[in-house]
Amino acid sequence: AQTVTQSQPEMSVQEAETVTLSCTYDTSESDYYLFWYKQPPSRQMILVIRQEAYKQQNATENRFSVNFQKAAKSFSLKISDSQLGDAAMYFCASPGAGGTSYGKLTFGQGTILTVHP
Amino acid sequence: GAVVSQHPSRVICKSGTSVKIECRSLDFQATTMFWYRQFPKQSLMLMATSNEGSKATYEQGVEKDKFLINHASLTLSTLTVTSAHPEDSSFYICSARGGGAFHEQYFGPGTRLTVT
Repeated sequence: AQTVTQSQPEMSVQEAETVTLSCTYDTSESDYYLFWYKQPPSRQMILVIRQEAYKQQNATENRFSVNFQKAAKSFSLKISDSQLGDAAMYFCASPGAGGTSYGKLTFGQGTILTVHP
Repeated sequence: GAVVSQHPSRVICKSGTSVKIECRSLDFQATTMFWYRQFPKQSLMLMATSNEGSKATYEQGVEKDKFLINHASLTLSTLTVTSAHPEDSSFYICSARGGGAFHEQYFGPGTRLTVT
């Protein structure tokens, strides 16, 4: 079964500092995509960043970047220059049952990020 | 682009009644839509996968006769909670998958259902 593990239920960071959220996953696919979603208090799920597994280069979106280790099936999210608006629950997602073609995603348990001013 | 709407945002219904939640992709055609349930501070639990023009596929443990899903067009999927009970109270989220290469899902804002 596809599993995604986020081992940090809660994390905190000072404003302007850097924080890394961990994620490991399990998939039998050879080509797939990985995602980090953010869910702020409004509960609207927002796509933060995606990583294509066949690309060795780590994805970057402004202050958000990933450390993708395919062999280790690790996909961590680094937030630089943290801002108060980054406070949210963050979910890592990988292909669900049936693989990428079915479109399902398996989500991790989530990490609640608190940003201190 | 890639906006998904969900209606209503909040609904309160009496035990034993049915309630319908709509999910619309506003600026793209969604070949597949997904319905999730989420409890406070927990992850999203996939309930079913909805494909336009065909029957929904339900995840194990989800009662298909209780949670009726209809995907009548490429922009609309509905979830009807039939004979609702207090234990059905939850936050329901839909998402839509476009035809793009990245397979990401675009999420609606969610519906808070309270059954009294």
